[in-house]
Parts: sequence; C-alpha cells; structure tokens
Amino acid sequence: EVQLVQSGGGLVQPGGSLRLSCAASGFAFSNYAMSWVRQAPGKGLEWVSSISRSGDSTYDADPVKGRFTISRDNSKNTVFLQMNSLRAEDTAVYYCAKDLTTTATTFGNDFWGQGTLVTVSS
Amino acid sequence: EIVLTQSPGTLSLSPGERATLSCRASQSVNSNYVAWYQQKPGQAPRLVIFGASFRATGISDRFSGSGSGTDFTLTITRLEPQDFAVYYCQLYGSTPVIFGLGTKLEIK
Repeated sequence: EVQLVQSGGGLVQPGGSLRLSCAASGFAFSNYAMSWVRQAPGKGLEWVSSISRSGDSTYDADPVKGRFTISRDNSKNTVFLQMNSLRAEDTAVYYCAKDLTTTATTFGNDFWGQGTLVTVSS
Repeated sequence: EIVLTQSPGTLSLSPGERATLSCRASQSVNSNYVAWYQQKPGQAPRLVIFGASFRATGISDRFSGSGSGTDFTLTITRLEPQDFAVYYCQLYGSTPVIFGLGTKLEIK
C-alpha cells in the first residue's frame, strides 16, 4: 500500500523558515518524481515544486522561486521542502504527492500525503 | 500562461442524477496531460482521471473523462452520496502545473 506520511509544519513568523518532510513507503520511491502542492484556506490547489527521480532536476513555481527548495533522500525514501523567507501568503496546507509514472517526470500525481498546515503569522 | 476555467462553480444535483463538469483551457493543450481530482472536506485530493480519459485505480466506472484541444469534461453517472465533493482539473506534463479553481458538486 502506497503511503506518504508528512511531518513538519506549524506556526512561523513572517521571514522565518520551516522544513517539511514526506516519508514514502509501499512503492519504489527512487523510481518516481515527487511534488509539493499547497492549498490556502478555502482556496484551490496550487503547484509548488517538483523533483526528478534522481534529484538532479528541480522545478519551482514562480511565487516560491528563490525561497523554497525541494530535495530528496532516496536512501531514506523521503522528500523535503525547505521554506525560507516565509510570507503570510504562504499560509496553506501543503501536500506531498507521488508522480504518475516511472518513465518520466509527468508532474501528475496519483497518491497524496495527508497534508500539513503551515501558518505564517506574527 | 495557460488558464483552466472550470464550470459551473457549483453544481447542485440529487443522488441518481448525472453530473457534467467542464474544464476549458485558454489555449489548446495536450490531452495526454489533463487530469481530474476529487477532494472532500479535510482530505487530500484523490486522482480520478488522468490522460483526459483514463480512470485511476479504484475509481468507479460511473466516472468518465473526455475531451481534446481546449474543452474537457468529467461525467459522473448515477450520482452516489460519496461523489459529492469538489473536483479540480489539472494540466500537467510540464511546468508550471496548472489547476482549475474547482467545481463544487453538492447535494440538491
């Protein structure tokens, strides 16, 4: 059974930093690209970042470019999202998600973590 | 940047009825990279359709996807109580990944 278990998140002041983790099990983690998608309170889904299977390539949405860094540790089946210079508009539930296929980075997602709330407020 | 417009914003139907949800792209897109997700309150999204018309694992055959070019449709036949949720369309395959704003399917 595919499982993505998220940790991290919480309340942070504007300008602060936070690191999210997503531990995967039930599939060959190193064979799949991974992504982070967020959802502001009462709003829709917004793609944040993605990382290739090997971790050599990363992709970021413009609102987070230069502030957020996605990474992965294939030896620990875990993907991370390091969030720096946080702003109020980064307040959202953050989801990690597994890519659809092993053959390429499609940026489509067939399994999602449970989500973790990040609140940026003073 | 491509924009996905979903309509209607809210769809009120009764169990047993047929739901038709629309997703229109601002320019022609590759249908191989259109997906639909279902999200219930307090839950993570769940993949329903990928590649415009392929059902995800475990999804009922009451769900079907269609479309090409700029117009895509998610159809749910014989609505059941567990189908009522918010549905998002997504354009993937390259970045930025784009989501529509969603259609809320509510019980009438």
